[in-house]
Amino acid sequence: GNSVTQMEGPVTLSEEAFLTINCTYTATGYPSLFWYVQYPGEGLQLLLKATKADDKGSNKGFEATYRKETTSFHLEKGSVQVSDSAVYFCALSDKGYGQNFVFGPGTRLSVLP
Amino acid sequence: GAVVSQHPSRVICKSGTSVKIECRSLDFQATTMFWYRQFPKKSLMLMATSNEGSKATYEQGVEKDKFLINHASLTLSTLTVTSAHPEDSSFYICSARTLDRGLNEQFFGPGTRLTVL
Repeated sequence: GNSVTQMEGPVTLSEEAFLTINCTYTATGYPSLFWYVQYPGEGLQLLLKATKADDKGSNKGFEATYRKETTSFHLEKGSVQVSDSAVYFCALSDKGYGQNFVFGPGTRLSVLP
Repeated sequence: GAVVSQHPSRVICKSGTSVKIECRSLDFQATTMFWYRQFPKKSLMLMATSNEGSKATYEQGVEKDKFLINHASLTLSTLTVTSAHPEDSSFYICSARTLDRGLNEQFFGPGTRLTVL
């Protein structure tokens, strides 16, 4: 079945540090890929998405590129802020992004001032 | 646009009681709604998928008599946790899928934290 693997957290960085959160997936066909962010006590917010190979999703300084050859969708940000502290979920949807999601386990990021 | 709300945001109940959680799409019609459960510091687990006017489809291992889902309209789905027990304490998140405006997207609600004493 489909699955998503993320790097184990928690990740603790200093403000303005570079961030990478690795994500790899297993899926049949051509899934759509997503990164969601969950701030403490809140639901999920879509951070960015990519629907086909080589697409790059970007938002709020975050970006991720859909790499079919390595089945990866790593999240990066050049300079993190304290306000980026949250849990980040990589996810896929194998029937277009309106259908069922499979989520990774989440990576907790803490950014220290 | 594309806002999904949940009510209540937090609920505390006694063991043995039933709790109803509402999920509403505020500015679009949701052809399908999904219910997820999130354990502390864990990922989301899909519980069931519901289409308006039909019975929900439950994921393997989810008790349909325990977690009653009603999708009465294109903007409202409810999850009722019947005879709740402490192990049902969790964060429940709904999402709604729309085909409006040529879109095919899924939007998540803010979640409901259930604590069963």
